[in-house]
Amino acid sequence: QQQVKQSPQSLIVQKGGISIINCAYENTAFDYFPWYQQFPGKGPALLIAIRPDVSEKKEGRFTISFNKSAKQFSLHIMDSQPGDSATYFCAASDTGRRALTFGSGTRLQVQP
Amino acid sequence: DAGVTQSPTHLIKTRGQQVTLRCSPKSGHDTVSWYQQALGQGPQFIFQYYEEEERQRGNFPDRFSGHQFPNYSSELNVNALLLGDSALYLCASSLRTSGSSTQYFGPGTRLTVL
Repeated sequence: QQQVKQSPQSLIVQKGGISIINCAYENTAFDYFPWYQQFPGKGPALLIAIRPDVSEKKEGRFTISFNKSAKQFSLHIMDSQPGDSATYFCAASDTGRRALTFGSGTRLQVQP
Repeated sequence: DAGVTQSPTHLIKTRGQQVTLRCSPKSGHDTVSWYQQALGQGPQFIFQYYEEEERQRGNFPDRFSGHQFPNYSSELNVNALLLGDSALYLCASSLRTSGSSTQYFGPGTRLTVL
């Protein structure tokens, strides 16, 4: 029940295109869903996060869509840029335990 | 405002040895969590410290232990190292008293076990 499943494993997008990464969870106690960006040799950096009381959150070119009934959430990167090339992780936690459960990651490559 | 810092950056040990990794949380944060990230995988939760006590623990053996100091900094100790312990060890800090679940990660310590 602790799993977070992430897809696709890798993604190639043209500059200016939309990158979409999907995650699904099983544990209904999860109430916090962040996305992290990680460059090689660096720690994960928080991009954007959402709670289940809203269905969408947008920050700049990054948008999280959340479907509570389907237990799914996704990250959309609009106008993708070569500098967005990195590995993206979805994660989930619950207020009580506060331990993040991560997806397996998506390696995004944005071609110029 | 300093973010999360970790030391050392890299470490090479041999099987059976012991290692200590260190973490200083983001200024104002009171909670430290440790994660293990194997190559090509997502981080796995090891444990979390708040008020100098281990509050939560993931599925890791007792060879993994930790400590939190009064200034909120933390150490991760791993005994009897195995080849499979080779990974990037990440520290994350948060402010528990704020009710926020947001965790900020440090750059990690790359541990290689030979």
